[in-house]
Amino acid sequence: DTEVTQTPKHLVMGMTNKKSLKCEQHMGHRAMYWYKQKAKKPPELMFVYSYEKLSINESVPSRFSPECPNSSLLNLHLHALQPEDSALYLCASSQDRSGSRKETQYFGPGTRLLVL
Amino acid sequence: AQSVTQPDIHITVSEGASLELRCNYSYGATPYLFWYVQSPGQGLQLLLKYFSGDTLVQGIKGFEAEFKRSQSSFNLRKPSVHWSDAAEYFCAVGDYSGTYKYIFGTGTRLKVLA
Repeated sequence: DTEVTQTPKHLVMGMTNKKSLKCEQHMGHRAMYWYKQKAKKPPELMFVYSYEKLSINESVPSRFSPECPNSSLLNLHLHALQPEDSALYLCASSQDRSGSRKETQYFGPGTRLLVL
Repeated sequence: AQSVTQPDIHITVSEGASLELRCNYSYGATPYLFWYVQSPGQGLQLLLKYFSGDTLVQGIKGFEAEFKRSQSSFNLRKPSVHWSDAAEYFCAVGDYSGTYKYIFGTGTRLKVLA
């Protein structure tokens, strides 16, 4: 099973709202990723968690706040977003075997976010 | 710096025709390479990957890719395209300088004519 699930599928929020995106995998993977993808562009890496610790933060604004409560779950908390944050938010996971570069990322279907 | 280039932004082929999507990489060490497909509004689905060994890699949906170190290329091929193959295709290289992450190409949009 190589499934990564994401909820919700779609989200519309105002600039003053607080919402959360959720990502789950049960493959025993220890690395989880958040990407942002604008139309007709490749995914842009936002955050990487490795063994539940934040290991990469690609200079993402503080209105995006990731959380990894356990090895299967990854959340992205959203607050005071701007219209330009409207995008497809993709979650991915990989095994993160120490010292190995032979990693494969498996992606979820994404959450389509619209900020009004 | 590591990079991945997909020189073709758009490609149009007729259904039943053969397909080749180009991918060139620049990477200091042995590259680990991937092809993903993305249908409109969907996540990325892994088509195939190359880690080592046989340079011709078979994937899902009838796709294959050939790793050519001398040309720094990892081109994706399919002998006969189906209308359902219309999608965006991304090539990526695994970068392990520190924490593992992917470097994506800019993508190639495939259109299939009936």
